[in-house]
Amino acid sequence: DAGVTQSPTHLIKTRGQHVTLRCSPISGHKSVSWYQQVLGQGPQFIFQYYEKEERGRGNFPDRFSARQFPNYSSELNVNALLLGDSALYLCASSLVWGSGANVLTFGAGSRLTVL
Amino acid sequence: GIQVEQSPPDLILQEGANSTLRCNFSDSVNNLQWFHQNPWGQLINLFYIPSGTKQNGRLSATTVATERYSLLYISSSQTTDSGVYFCAVSGGYNKLIFGAGTRLAVHP
Repeated sequence: DAGVTQSPTHLIKTRGQHVTLRCSPISGHKSVSWYQQVLGQGPQFIFQYYEKEERGRGNFPDRFSARQFPNYSSELNVNALLLGDSALYLCASSLVWGSGANVLTFGAGSRLTVL
Repeated sequence: GIQVEQSPPDLILQEGANSTLRCNFSDSVNNLQWFHQNPWGQLINLFYIPSGTKQNGRLSATTVATERYSLLYISSSQTTDSGVYFCAVSGGYNKLIFGAGTRLAVHP
C-alpha cells in the first residue's frame, strides 16, 4: 500500500513568489494535516482538514492557506514567499479526526528553499 | 498549550550501546507518538503510546501518563539508528505538538 505521498520533493522559489504543495493521504484516510519544519527544530502545526473542512489552524499568517479535495488529497499554498518560509513541509494523514486514538503517518516532505 | 521537553538534546554512542531518551509533557494527553527522522527528512512512526509499554525489536517505549513522561529505549544500537528522535503529543483533535528532538549519532 502506498503511504502518504507529497510533491514536489524539492523546489526553489524567489521572494514574493507563490508556491503550491500537494499531498495524497493513505488510502482510506480522511484527515490531512500540514506541518512546517525549519532546520534544527521540530515540526510545527499549520493546518488540519477532515472531510474537506478546516478543523484546525496553527499560528501562521494568512499567506498560508490550504484545502482538501473530494478524494481527500490536499494542497498547501503559500503566497508572497519570504526567506523565512524556507523549510521542510510535511503532510500527515490519519484515519479520522477528533479522537485521541488516532495515529498520524507522515510523508517524506517537500523541501522549499526561498532565495 | 502543552509544552514538550526532550532530553538529552544530543547523544553520541558506540555501536552496541544502549540508550534512554526522555520526553516530558506539561498536561494530560490522549495521543503520544515517537518518531525517528532519517537524514533525508522522513518521519518514521516508532510507537503510538499514550500510556503503557510497547516493544518492537530493539526498541521499546514506556509512557507514565499520570507523571507526564515517556521514555524510549534503544538497545544494541546500530549506525542505522542515527538521526533525530521526536516525541509528539496531542491534547485532543490530533494536532501534534513536537519536542525539539534528540539528535543521536551512532559510531561504528
